[in-house]
Amino acid sequence: EAGVTQFPSHSVIEKGQTVTLRCDPISGHDNLYWYRRVMGKEIKFLLHFVKESKQDESGMPNNRFLAERTGGTYSTLKVQPAELEDSGVYFCASSLGTGGWGTEAFFGQGTRLTVV
Amino acid sequence: GEDVEQSLFLSVREGDSSVINCTYTDSSSTYLYWYKQEPGAGLQLLTYIFSNMDMKQDQRLTVLLNKKDKHLSLRIADTQTGDSAIYFCAEGRSGGSYIPTFGRGTSLIVHP
Repeated sequence: EAGVTQFPSHSVIEKGQTVTLRCDPISGHDNLYWYRRVMGKEIKFLLHFVKESKQDESGMPNNRFLAERTGGTYSTLKVQPAELEDSGVYFCASSLGTGGWGTEAFFGQGTRLTVV
Repeated sequence: GEDVEQSLFLSVREGDSSVINCTYTDSSSTYLYWYKQEPGAGLQLLTYIFSNMDMKQDQRLTVLLNKKDKHLSLRIADTQTGDSAIYFCAEGRSGGSYIPTFGRGTSLIVHP
């Protein structure tokens, strides 16, 4: 069974450009989560989808970030326009059911975003 | 301050034990997790402990929880070079659907 996959694995863009990150969760997982780790800092929660609905988006830093999960399958995270401080590793995770995380969540390998 | 704190680096010799420490702030935490990130890979759940437990052992791994002091530790016995990775401590709360709040991660370096 395929795990959580993220595309691209690396992205280097210029300040002011737009970047879209994609996450394909494990098939059948209703819950999808986005996290970000800025270098040397903690891994910070961004948002949580249950199917196509945003359950919790309290961690989204500002309105330059837009997350979608149309159809409740894969999710995209768009940064527009990108700023230097957006650089970091963006992780996606997915879990079964609607009860939350427990011990069921699985992470993707992350997308390393560098804004220059 | 941060919700979950851990030291940034730990260097040990191969064969020794490693102890990675973590402190957290929320007394309502239900799950305490340890994740491992190897170079170029995603986060892997290593082990976890319920907040009503004091200790959990799983092969070379021992997790100790001091709930009074909100202190969590991960001990790796007979540390190997393959254990070199970043180890993240995280807490999960029932009110937050157990979604983990992570620390900064401790880079474990194992040298021969």
